[in-house]
Amino acid sequence: QQQVKQSPQSLIVQKGGISIINCAYENTAFDYFPWYQQFPGKGPALLIAIRPDVSEKKEGRFTISFNKSAKQFSLHIMDSQPGDSATYFCAGAASGTYKYIFGTGTRLKVLA
Amino acid sequence: EAGVAQSPRYKIIEKRQSVAFWCNPISGHATLYWYQQILGQGPKLLIQFQNNGVVDDSQLPKDRFSAERLKGVDSTLKIQPAKLEDSAVYLCASSLATGHGDTEAFFGQGTRLTVV
Repeated sequence: QQQVKQSPQSLIVQKGGISIINCAYENTAFDYFPWYQQFPGKGPALLIAIRPDVSEKKEGRFTISFNKSAKQFSLHIMDSQPGDSATYFCAGAASGTYKYIFGTGTRLKVLA
Repeated sequence: EAGVAQSPRYKIIEKRQSVAFWCNPISGHATLYWYQQILGQGPKLLIQFQNNGVVDDSQLPKDRFSAERLKGVDSTLKIQPAKLEDSAVYLCASSLATGHGDTEAFFGQGTRLTVV
């Protein structure tokens, strides 16, 4: 089974701090790596995504860092806010199949 | 743009009963997914359709689960008979899947199934 391993399982950060979530993948055919944000009672929503031809992508306070040789990628949330409190999922997908394999999720709580 | 619609939002059934979930994807989206999300875990792909054909159903427990996508639009997922371990949120998602680069998967709010 293609796997995407995600850590930590849960994370508590002070308001204004940096939240870091890590993922590792096995399938070298993956060439699209999205991060999804899920609030309680809602479906996951795309937050930011990256392709392996770049090592970093930034959108506002959210940054993905990608290490192709290590088959790892991470999400950094700068200046974390209480509104960022949610569960975050990383995923991998291969072009052509569009089959998303999700990590196990990280529950983030940002303290006010 | 209307999102992915799912119904019902909640369902409670007894084990061995049957249940069906409905999904209406975003208009024009060729690919439709059904995911199972057990509490505290990531979504697990059950079945993927491209138009009205099945692309991947390798993780679908076919002895009790079935899914169809008529006319390449709406889809239904059925469980018969249900087991206690089927208690989960069932998420439907859709994407354009044009074959040109990235394609975002849009998720519905899900159906929370409780089997008692």
